[in-house]
Amino acid sequence: AQTVTQSQPEMSVQEAETVTLSCTYDTSENNYYLFWYKQPPSRQMILVIRQEAYKQQNATENRFSVNFQKAAKSFSLKISDSQLGDTAMYFCAPDNAGNMLTFGGGTRLMVKP
Amino acid sequence: DTGVSQNPRHKITKRGQNVTFRCDPISEHNRLYWYRQTLGQGPEFLTYFQNEAQLEKSRLLSDRFSAERPKGSFSTLEIQRTEQGDSAMYLCASSHYTGGYTEAFFGQGTRLTVV
Repeated sequence: AQTVTQSQPEMSVQEAETVTLSCTYDTSENNYYLFWYKQPPSRQMILVIRQEAYKQQNATENRFSVNFQKAAKSFSLKISDSQLGDTAMYFCAPDNAGNMLTFGGGTRLMVKP
Repeated sequence: DTGVSQNPRHKITKRGQNVTFRCDPISEHNRLYWYRQTLGQGPEFLTYFQNEAQLEKSRLLSDRFSAERPKGSFSTLEIQRTEQGDSAMYLCASSHYTGGYTEAFFGQGTRLTVV
């Protein structure tokens, strides 16, 4: 079984600044994937970025990047140049071979103008 | 094809009644997942299908819950004898699984309120 901890229930950041959301997880799997999902208010969950556990290089997707520390089982999300549209709940989720996602409790991010 | 569709979007029911939700996945997606999300929490896995076969069920899926995916297309989730604790957002997701990584696409969910 996997457990996921997001220790920051709420965060805020000024527009154009950088913010980092933390996530730690516990898994007995050796090969797995890690995802960050964004859930805007009253809208569906969308994928922000993914990381394959066997890859050492941290994933980057435009303004979004991750810091993946496999030994520490840590998977943080960095959002650069924050925009108002980044305001949402963010969920960290490991996935073992596409069977199911295990979500953390989420971090509510507010981007302030 | 505009994505994963869930109906109804909202459902209010009296305790003890049965409810059924429907999920239409993205065309040709062979996997379909159901999750439950309570207010302020992350989604919790309930069950998933590959084509018409139900491959895994969470212990959260009590015997009052049943899910089907006839013909491997749309899926239904039925809750019998609803309880107040069943109040939650029920999310459906689908993916095209070919082994390894697969991106799941989520619907907007069905919000159930049991009164």
